[in-house]
Amino acid sequence: GAGVSQSPRYKVAKRGQDVALRCDPISGHVSLFWYQQALGQGPEFLTYFQNEAQLDKSGLPSDRFFAERPEGSVSTLKIQRTQQEDSAVYLCASSFGRDGNTIYFGEGSWLTVV
Amino acid sequence: AQKVTQAQTEISVVEKEDVTLDCVYETRDTTYYLFWYKQPPSGELVFLIRRNSFDEQNEISGRYSWNFQKSTSSFNFTITASQVVDSAVYFCALSASNRDDKIIFGKGTRLHILP
Repeated sequence: GAGVSQSPRYKVAKRGQDVALRCDPISGHVSLFWYQQALGQGPEFLTYFQNEAQLDKSGLPSDRFFAERPEGSVSTLKIQRTQQEDSAVYLCASSFGRDGNTIYFGEGSWLTVV
Repeated sequence: AQKVTQAQTEISVVEKEDVTLDCVYETRDTTYYLFWYKQPPSGELVFLIRRNSFDEQNEISGRYSWNFQKSTSSFNFTITASQVVDSAVYFCALSASNRDDKIIFGKGTRLHILP
């Protein structure tokens, strides 16, 4: 499809389990973002890539969170040893790059940690 | 520091009424962008509008209109003749153009349009 694609759409993980969330950005988009959205809240920035370079990871809440984009296209957000507070929607977004270019969001991966 | 405040947590109006969603922002940047996104129950964030800080012209798109006032750091969104399909959470957001285009979101306003 033409939009940002995320998988899985829904994931239930047992506490302590590792999870991997995938994002397939819009073709040609240089910038890729991960956001975390807790229930009833606005999206919170996690990390940002420009091509394969991770330029900003200031929003990652702990060292259990890790993101990569090795070939500058698909990205994976990995959460190790999941905890209940990790339950949220994880949104991926992409854009052509700087100067306020419109950022397009995927439908999100809904993670529930039980 | 950048901040976006949406003081209205939840609004309910009857269909066909007009409704305005408020947004106030804070930034030290001289050049920045303001956005509105719609989030329906499906969860996807749908882009509605982007405004450059140098362009204070109000904009109208069908039933939607936006009022950008730099003097009060506000970027309000009005839906005219609301419809049930307008029910969603609406987010105002801000990004600085001289850095990466990381977007800072407000907490959102949940809009209920009652039939």
